[in-house]
Amino acid sequence: DIVVTQSPDSLAVSLGERATITCKSTLSYKPNDVNHLSWFQQKPGQPPKLLLYWATARASGVPDRFSGSGSGTDFTLTISSLQAEDVAAYYCLQYYTSGALTFGGGTKVEIK
Amino acid sequence: HQQLRESGPGLVQPSETVSLTCTVSGDSISGHDFWGWVRQPPGKGLEWIANVLSSGNTYYNPSLKSRATVSVDTSRNLFSVRLTSVTAADTAVYYCARLATYSVTAFDIWGPGILVTVSS
Repeated sequence: DIVVTQSPDSLAVSLGERATITCKSTLSYKPNDVNHLSWFQQKPGQPPKLLLYWATARASGVPDRFSGSGSGTDFTLTISSLQAEDVAAYYCLQYYTSGALTFGGGTKVEIK
Repeated sequence: HQQLRESGPGLVQPSETVSLTCTVSGDSISGHDFWGWVRQPPGKGLEWIANVLSSGNTYYNPSLKSRATVSVDTSRNLFSVRLTSVTAADTAVYYCARLATYSVTAFDIWGPGILVTVSS
């Protein structure tokens, strides 16, 4: 089965600084040459919120300080200038075979 | 503007079956293809359970496939998940969500979640 590993498990970043989270998969699966990899933000007591899909496309209403990159098995979520409201857990979600999905383990982002 | 809301028992006995329902409001469930269930044990990460199409096709997490069943009821505008032989490890917040039409991983609308505790 596929394993999706996020790193780091947690990180502390100063306000205004860059935060980078990686998501590595043991399997590359790109049907129709599309990276079906999404990123979610989850704040305590709330359901997850979709940030990015297709690895790089921002969902509606998501600030442009959130960006995604990568392809195949290695992906990155970058917050270019951390704001106080960005304190949350972040998860990647990978599509890896016909209809099956798996989440990364999550990364908690805090203010340094 | 679609909204989702989970409903079901908050407490389940070990070895029993739990059934949860996701009611869709604001639009017809048939107007959208993919719906899914995700869970989160207290203090832990997210786990995908299964997806169901409005046509009735289903897709499961291999680790739960033997115990989970998802279904859709277009006449009542809802979809459901049933999990058999539950143990304490199934204690979690269960979320229902809609998959965006443009990506099979883009859960773009979520319910608030329902906490299910497995305990005697």
